[in-house]
Amino acid sequence: DGGITQSPKYLFRKEGQNVTLSCEQNLNHDAMYWYRQDPGQGLRLIYYSQIVNDFQKGDIAEGYSVSREKKESFPLTVTSAQKNPTAFYLCASSYITGELFFGEGSRLTVL
Amino acid sequence: KNEVEQSPQNLTAQEGEFITINCSYSVGISALHWLQQHPGGGIVSLFMLSSGKKKHGRLIATINIQEKHSSLHITASHPRDSAVYICAVRMDSNYQLIWGAGTKLIIKP
Repeated sequence: DGGITQSPKYLFRKEGQNVTLSCEQNLNHDAMYWYRQDPGQGLRLIYYSQIVNDFQKGDIAEGYSVSREKKESFPLTVTSAQKNPTAFYLCASSYITGELFFGEGSRLTVL
Repeated sequence: KNEVEQSPQNLTAQEGEFITINCSYSVGISALHWLQQHPGGGIVSLFMLSSGKKKHGRLIATINIQEKHSSLHITASHPRDSAVYICAVRMDSNYQLIWGAGTKLIIKP
């Protein structure tokens, strides 16, 4: 079945560690997005990519990095430079002007 | 002023009531999206609109491009409709998405 898969669903990190969240889609979508959501808040864009080997910073890119080496994959690394990384992270994909499909999300907790 | 404004922020209603959630925007758009986020966190797309009206089951979405306004209606509401409903617009200048803050809906049995 076509869809978008995020992993892991839950992740715990010690302060000072980098962690990478996986996002894979088999919908042949050109655009992929990473969002952060804090409790009771709306979605904030971290990074997005509209084509392989190209990506753009969103509103809160500091402390995060991404890559888009394959159309299907858009991993997000939360680096030690991100001072408050505990949050819910959502990956989405779409055709450039199309309907949005979201993964189930990854909950990151810093211990 | 936010480019996408939703109202109300919170809405509590009794089962069976007709629900309306509003979304106003101030930019030129190619499409408007309505999405639903359940308490577990997952988000599903309900509608993508560029004009007129769409219906899916008990959900109806309308958009007025001239007035830059969209509404999401739920008929015969049910407790399982309890969720956060989010409006997002895709700008026609660069295809970027701008998100509303969401409307938290609680339907009481």
